[in-house]
Amino acid sequence: GAVVSQHPSWVICKSGTSVKIECRSLDFQATTMFWYRQFPKQSLMLMATSNEGSKATYEQGVEKDKFLINHASLTLSTLTVTSAHPEDSSFYICSARASWSGKRNYNEQFFGPGTRLTVL
Amino acid sequence: SQKIEQNSEALNIQEGKTATLTCNYTNYSPAYLQWYRQDPGRGPVFLLLIRENEKEKRKERLKVTFDTTLKQSLFHITASQPADSATYLCARQMDSSYKLIFGSGTRLLVRP
Repeated sequence: GAVVSQHPSWVICKSGTSVKIECRSLDFQATTMFWYRQFPKQSLMLMATSNEGSKATYEQGVEKDKFLINHASLTLSTLTVTSAHPEDSSFYICSARASWSGKRNYNEQFFGPGTRLTVL
Repeated sequence: SQKIEQNSEALNIQEGKTATLTCNYTNYSPAYLQWYRQDPGRGPVFLLLIRENEKEKRKERLKVTFDTTLKQSLFHITASQPADSATYLCARQMDSSYKLIFGSGTRLLVRP
């Protein structure tokens, strides 16, 4: 149980185009989803927190107009990289916090397998 | 800022030995510290969580300790196996937020 998928697993695009990455919780409902970016040999950097039905909260330094996040349902969040440039090439990982985490204070997150984005 | 640091970029040990990884944090004590395993090109997989009022947590060959005086968590893998080779990440969570702040990770290599 508690499986999170991402699609696509990798994508190559031309500079200036937009790319959409999907994050799905397959067997549970996720009240909150998180989007991370990871550059080679570096750790995960939180980009934004996404709650179902509301606007995403972005971390400092992350351009909300460039990285559009939509959390339309309890099982799906999407990240769209608009007007992608080579410096946006990275490994994008989502995670989901289960709705059955309920009133637990700790953050039980389940991570997706990641999406490798390469912008030429 | 609330930093979390994993001082060792890489650790190389012989199969059967105990691997010990270190995670240090600055400023405020996190309510929870979590440890994850990440294989190349994959997302992190949750291993263990320890609360600030706990000193030690175990799961099979894994053990995590939390020392709020030293502002440090240690992660141990006993009887290590080549299959344990991976990058191990620690992450802090403050009580007031569900956000996780990750350390830079330690790449563990267990030699057969």
